[in-house]
Amino acid sequence: AQSVAQPEDQVNVAEGNPLTVKCTYSVSGNPYLFWYVQYPNRGLQFLLKYITGDNLVKGSYGFEAEFNKSQTSFHLKKPSALVSDSALYFCAVRVTSGGSYIPTFGRGTSLIVHP
Amino acid sequence: GAGVSQSPSNKVTEKGKDVELRCDPISGHTALYWYRQSLGQGLEFLIYFQGNSAPDKSGLPSDRFSAERTGGSVSTLTIQRTQQEDSAVYLCASSLDSGREQETQYFGPGTRLLVL
Repeated sequence: AQSVAQPEDQVNVAEGNPLTVKCTYSVSGNPYLFWYVQYPNRGLQFLLKYITGDNLVKGSYGFEAEFNKSQTSFHLKKPSALVSDSALYFCAVRVTSGGSYIPTFGRGTSLIVHP
Repeated sequence: GAGVSQSPSNKVTEKGKDVELRCDPISGHTALYWYRQSLGQGLEFLIYFQGNSAPDKSGLPSDRFSAERTGGSVSTLTIQRTQQEDSAVYLCASSLDSGREQETQYFGPGTRLLVL
């Protein structure tokens, strides 16, 4: 079985400050990890993914995420938050082989960036 | 190019009525997924289609829910005898080939269903 935990329902950060949205996972085997963002009344948009190789993955809109195998984490980060980053963020995981083709999503974290 | 489209964008219905939700995936994408998003509940997998293979229906919550995909493209999710707990946003996603687990999913804007 595979699972994803996003321990924070909401993250508040001031504009210009760094932000972190946490994600931990549990899989049998090696993971593929994804981050998606959902703006109000919109579908999910792909931000970035970890497949293999460099543990630091860079994605859209200045976001990056670091894969940490020992801590089974894939936290989303951005050095300087913008008010326009306020949205709902989802982490997702798939196993690399022998598992379900269906990705498992976390419950989502609401990011609020204050001016 | 065009993304995933869904219709209607909003649907209000009365308890006990049937509803049909439509998804047009990105052209050439062989994999199609339906999810349900309830407030504070994240994404709940419903059903998955891959090419001409039998769909994975393991996420459908009851036999009132069904889906089909015609010609490997457009999909329709049908909810019969709707209940108030069916109220949610129904999201459709497609990917190029889910036989490769690293494939990115592309989501439609969703259909917001309200059952009165």
